[in-house]
Amino acid sequence: DQQVKQNSPSLSVQEGRISILNCDYTNSMFDYFLWYKKYPAEGPTFLISISSIKDKNEDGRFTVFLNKSAKHLSLHIVPSQPGDSAVYFCAARRGSQGNLIFGKGTKLSVKP
Amino acid sequence: EPEVTQTPSHQVTQMGQEVILRCVPISNHLYFYWYRQILGQKVEFLVSFYNNEISEKSEIFDDQFSVERPDGSNFTLKIRSTKLEDSAMYFCASSERLAGNYEQYFGPGTRLTVT
Repeated sequence: DQQVKQNSPSLSVQEGRISILNCDYTNSMFDYFLWYKKYPAEGPTFLISISSIKDKNEDGRFTVFLNKSAKHLSLHIVPSQPGDSAVYFCAARRGSQGNLIFGKGTKLSVKP
Repeated sequence: EPEVTQTPSHQVTQMGQEVILRCVPISNHLYFYWYRQILGQKVEFLVSFYNNEISEKSEIFDDQFSVERPDGSNFTLKIRSTKLEDSAMYFCASSERLAGNYEQYFGPGTRLTVT
């Protein structure tokens, strides 16, 4: 039961260009969404989040967009840097339940 | 910057043995979690813990698993009799609160290998 889906296992982008990572969800009860970045042999690192009452949240080079009607969110990284190369996980949470439901991740490679 | 720490970084054990994975959450956090990631698969929730009791658990968290906060700083995950399929990365996480907009902060993980 994939409640959170990241359909692109990998993405390759040139340094300086925009990276767009996509995430779809099926559960309309989700009200909070997060993006985590993960390097090999490390734990997921929180990147940016968005509440379901918003449609955009921006933090520096990172912007998350939420389209509730389409049950879709995306993470934009601009400009992309080689240090952004990592696996990016989309996660969602429902109401007061604490557990995060993760997608399978998208491996981003930013080429110099 | 405060961080979640986990020990050991890698644990190798034989099938049927008990293992204890240890975590030190961020000191002012009140909610604690264990997740696991089997190689090549997604990160999966196991259990959440608050006020010295389990607040939520997944179907993965069966009777072979238990959690404990033995003192004011440590948070442990015990697997009573390990199986081959328990081999995974185990991540501990903590958060300040449960409701509202908050983030869970993850530790670096313990790689458990069951042979």
